[in-house]
Amino acid sequence: AQSVAQPEDQVNVAEGNPLTVKCTYSVSGNPYLFWYVQYPNRGLQFLLKYITGDNLVKGSYGFEAEFNKSQTSFHLKKPSALVSDSALYFCAAYNTDKLIFGTGTRLQVFP
Amino acid sequence: NAGVTQTPKFQVLKTGQSMTLQCAQDMNHNSMYWYRQDPGMGLRLIYYSASEGTTDKGEVPNGYNVSRLNKREFSLRLESAAPSQTSVYFCASRQLSGQTYEQYFGPGTRLTVT
Repeated sequence: AQSVAQPEDQVNVAEGNPLTVKCTYSVSGNPYLFWYVQYPNRGLQFLLKYITGDNLVKGSYGFEAEFNKSQTSFHLKKPSALVSDSALYFCAAYNTDKLIFGTGTRLQVFP
Repeated sequence: NAGVTQTPKFQVLKTGQSMTLQCAQDMNHNSMYWYRQDPGMGLRLIYYSASEGTTDKGEVPNGYNVSRLNKREFSLRLESAAPSQTSVYFCASRQLSGQTYEQYFGPGTRLTVT
């Protein structure tokens, strides 16, 4: 069965420090992978995607993600966290016209 | 461009009542989706419509029906609401072209069934 796992319910990081939000996937064929962010009482916003090509993908708001085929991972990263990055982050994988979502990771950035 | 819009934003229903959640997109997208979001469970697909005139069940379709009214609009109907349908509902759309696999989401409808 196709699945996406986000092993951490919450990640805490101090402002200015680097952040990583983890995601692993299990899909057949070539994986198409995505990160979304959800701010309180809002819909999901698309951050970035990996379809093919360079394993390091850059997206909105200074975020990037590293695709690692051998570890079946697609971790979200940012070199220097901002308090305004505090939100709920979802990893997703494409499967036959649908997206499979992870359960989400809440990122808290402390001043 | 308004993107994906949803109405209403909030709704409270009594058990057994019915209602329709409306969704519209102005991006000329082919595919549209309905999800529910529950704490600790991420987003689960209820129904989707790959193109105008087609609809398919997702992961959790029981208790729901959908209508793809035209290319812009995709509605979700609860015929007899149950407390287990208390959730936040999101509509999304996607263009079927090239390497555009990402979906774009509306702001959500928060539904409470008492």
